[in-house]
Amino acid sequence: GAGVSQSPSNKVTEKGKDVELRCDPISGHTALYWYRQRLGQGLEFLIYFQGNSAPDKSGLPSDRFSAERTGESVSTLTIQRTQQEDSAVYLCASSFRTWRIPTVPRGTIEPQHFGDGTRLSIL
Amino acid sequence: AQSVTQLGSHVSVSEGALVLLRCNYSSSVPPYLFWYVQYPNQGLQLLLKYTSAATLVKGINGFEAEFKKSETSFHLTKPSAHMSDAAEYFCAVISQAGGYQKVTFGIGTKLQVIP
Repeated sequence: GAGVSQSPSNKVTEKGKDVELRCDPISGHTALYWYRQRLGQGLEFLIYFQGNSAPDKSGLPSDRFSAERTGESVSTLTIQRTQQEDSAVYLCASSFRTWRIPTVPRGTIEPQHFGDGTRLSIL
Repeated sequence: AQSVTQLGSHVSVSEGALVLLRCNYSSSVPPYLFWYVQYPNQGLQLLLKYTSAATLVKGINGFEAEFKKSETSFHLTKPSAHMSDAAEYFCAVISQAGGYQKVTFGIGTKLQVIP
């Protein structure tokens, strides 16, 4: 598609339920990122994928959070046993590639392209 | 570790007035810096990026930012605010984590434009 697509756009669920959030990156983008944006706060990095592997999982807030990516395309962020503090907007972004700094020529830095997010509300 | 600080979580300007949104960074290596804009209920859109080609970077919608190494700043400006500029603006820096890109965002600045 033309841009990063996220679904659902809104999700309301009861505390304790599991939820799955989906991200379709821009075709050809090998790097994919998940962020959490709580009300009135900035973006919190959760995890990113290069291809289907996740070199950096340091941002996942607890073991209730997991993510996977298949076919170097779609990614799913799963939150198990949801808690009220999980309520937030979950943003996905993709970019053409990641790169090793500083060996890459600076002019080739590729920004991230964001989806519109999934607004998750835990009752 | 790299970080960014955005001074002022809320900024109000009159329509037609100068817009100045502040961003200071901390980086042990020459930084890669970005400004993104987020309109209500939307994701982030890239406004402009600094990659050392030029210290004054021009972006979309009439915005520009100047990289000042001596001040470790990358403030965003626009000469004349429009009502459509009302949004939240994020400054971001790229760092290296385990050999790969990691982007750290500031907390954001909400811009209000008063008619």
